[in-house]
Amino acid sequence: AQSVTQLDSQVPVFEEAPVELRCNYSSSVSVYLFWYVQYPNQGLQLLLKYLSGSTLVKGINGFEAEFNKSQTSFHLRKPSVHISDTAEYFCAVSGRINEKLTFGTGTRLTIIP
Amino acid sequence: DVKVTQSSRYLVKRTGEKVFLECVQDMDHENMFWYRQDPGLGLRLIYFSYDVKMKEKGDIPEGYSVSREKKERFSLILESASTNQTSMYLCASSREGRRYEQYFGPGTRLTVT
Repeated sequence: AQSVTQLDSQVPVFEEAPVELRCNYSSSVSVYLFWYVQYPNQGLQLLLKYLSGSTLVKGINGFEAEFNKSQTSFHLRKPSVHISDTAEYFCAVSGRINEKLTFGTGTRLTIIP
Repeated sequence: DVKVTQSSRYLVKRTGEKVFLECVQDMDHENMFWYRQDPGLGLRLIYFSYDVKMKEKGDIPEGYSVSREKKERFSLILESASTNQTSMYLCASSREGRRYEQYFGPGTRLTVT
């Protein structure tokens, strides 16, 4: 079984400030890791993914995430946020064999002008 | 541009009614999914289909059924709607071998009164 924990349900950040959204996972097998983003009134879209190789993964819109196996974490970061980053962000984990995707409960990022 | 469309953005139904939610994808994907999204609970998988007429139960299938008669179309059926099925319903698709990389529709917000 696998699970994902996003401890922060809401994160307010001033415009142009850096942000980190935290994600921890639990799994008994090797995993793939993902961040999906949901903009207001839209479905989810893939922001970035870790499948193998470099533990630092870059995604769309200037976001990046780092896979830390020892801490079972996959935190999402952006050095300078914009109003357009206002959205809900979901961390997700998938087993490498069964590929079932399990989502976290989401973190709502609010950008303060 | 890849697309997953859902038949309605908003739907209001009465308790006991039979409800159909339709989803169509134009990417020739083998896999299709139905999720429900509730605040604080993230996305929970209702059903998954990996081929025409093939389906698997997800984490919360009770009270729901699905139909996939054509590759591009995946329907979610609430046989007798209840108020605890009021939720946002999201459809997604992915190609074979990349089950974790999902493309989402905009969602249907269903209210059961």
